[in-house]
Amino acid sequence: QKEVEQNSGPLSVPEGAIASLNCTYSDRGSQSFFWYRQYSGKSPELIMFIYSNGDKEDGRFTAQLNKASQYVSLLIRDSQPSDSATYLCAVNTGGFKTIFGAGTRLFVKA
Amino acid sequence: SQTIHQWPATLVQPVGSPLSLECTVEGTSNPNLYWYRQAAGRGLQLLFYSVGIGQISSEVPQNLSASRPQDRQFILSSKKLLLSDSGFYLCAWSVQSGDQPQHFGDGTRLSIL
Repeated sequence: QKEVEQNSGPLSVPEGAIASLNCTYSDRGSQSFFWYRQYSGKSPELIMFIYSNGDKEDGRFTAQLNKASQYVSLLIRDSQPSDSATYLCAVNTGGFKTIFGAGTRLFVKA
Repeated sequence: SQTIHQWPATLVQPVGSPLSLECTVEGTSNPNLYWYRQAAGRGLQLLFYSVGIGQISSEVPQNLSASRPQDRQFILSSKKLLLSDSGFYLCAWSVQSGDQPQHFGDGTRLSIL
């Protein structure tokens, strides 16, 4: 069974620090990788996607992909209390199916 | 720009009652449409997806069904709700290419009493 694994957390970081969120996936043939942010009681919001090995930067967010290690991560620089949320890693395993991890809760302390 | 509407936002239903949740997408044509359920503190469970009108694929056998009567309308139904149907129901859309990101509606929080 294809799986996406994330540490459930909570991950606690001080304001202004770098938050590092990690995700591993089981299907070596996966091609598309997404990070969503979900505030408590709200729906997931897409914040990053990455298709190629390496880093992709968007503002304070950097997604990192290593297909050989089946590992994708999200770095949040200059973390703010408003970044406190659950971050979902999602992997498209081919076709129309995307598998979501259970999410990592991030808490940014002011 | 594309928008997705989902309603109602919250719903409280007795066990054994029927269910109908509706989702519509604006600003795009022929999207892929998805229904997910999220239990408290859990990940997203894909229930159904659709690549076109009348085309429904079921991922989890259960007492729920889905229909797509129009290109940008997706409906989740049940004839008789179970306690285990409680959860946060999310509709999502993506462009037809399967590797594109999905975009979610605001969700429906369903409580079964």
